[in-house]
Amino acid sequence: DQQVKQNSPSLSVQEGRISILNCDYTNSMFDYFLWYKKYPAEGPTFLISISSIKDKNEDGRFTVFLNKSAKHLSLHIVPSQPGDSAVYFCAVSRPPREKLTFGTGTRLTIIP
Amino acid sequence: DTGVSQDPRHKITKRGQNVTFRCDPISEHNRLYWYRQTLGQGPEFLTYFQNEAQLEKSRLLSDRFSAERPKGSFSTLEIQRTEQGDSAMYLCASSSNRDNSYNEQFFGPGTRLTVL
Repeated sequence: DQQVKQNSPSLSVQEGRISILNCDYTNSMFDYFLWYKKYPAEGPTFLISISSIKDKNEDGRFTVFLNKSAKHLSLHIVPSQPGDSAVYFCAVSRPPREKLTFGTGTRLTIIP
Repeated sequence: DTGVSQDPRHKITKRGQNVTFRCDPISEHNRLYWYRQTLGQGPEFLTYFQNEAQLEKSRLLSDRFSAERPKGSFSTLEIQRTEQGDSAMYLCASSSNRDNSYNEQFFGPGTRLTVL
C-alpha cells in the first residue's frame, strides 16, 4: 500500500514561471511533512517542511501548502530557475517521528 | 565538509558475496537512519539508531542484513550472501532530536550497490 503518492512523474516549466508539485497521503496520523530535492548521484537535500498545525510555510522562493482535510500538500517554487531542475520527493512522518515515508518523486525540468 | 559521508560510493559485487557500507553522520546528531532507494522509487526506511541503540527495523531488512552503530558515532550496514535484488542505492541520514522536537534528516550521497 502506497501511503504517499506523487501522481506526476514529471513536470516541465518555463524559467521564471511558477512550478507546483503535488503530493497526497492516506494516513491522517501523519503530522509532519517535508520536501527534498535530489540531483543525480547525490543524496536527497532537505528543502522545506511544515507541521500539521500550520497550513503554509515559506522559505524564499519555496512555499509549502498543507490541506489536512484533503490529505494533500504542494510545493510552489517561484520564480523557477534552471538550477531547480531535479527530482522532488515529498516525505511524511508521524509520532514518534522516527522515520520518513517518501513518495515516488516528480522530475522537474526548468526550460530556459 | 561537515555533512553526512558514506563509503564506498559505488560497490560492484558478485551474487553470494558479503558487502559492508559505512556511514559517518553529522557529528552532533544522535539519530542515524538507513534507507534504500531503487529505480523510480523514493527512499524506503530500513532501520534507525538513537545513539548506539537500534530502535526500529523495517520488515524490508531480512536476516541477511545487519546494521551496527557501536559507539554511537559511525554506522555500518552489512549484507550477507548478496542477491541481485539487493542492487539499489543505500542512503544514510542523520538528525538530532535532543529537545524532543522533530528535526529534519540530512542525507549522505549514498552507496550504489550492483550485484552481478
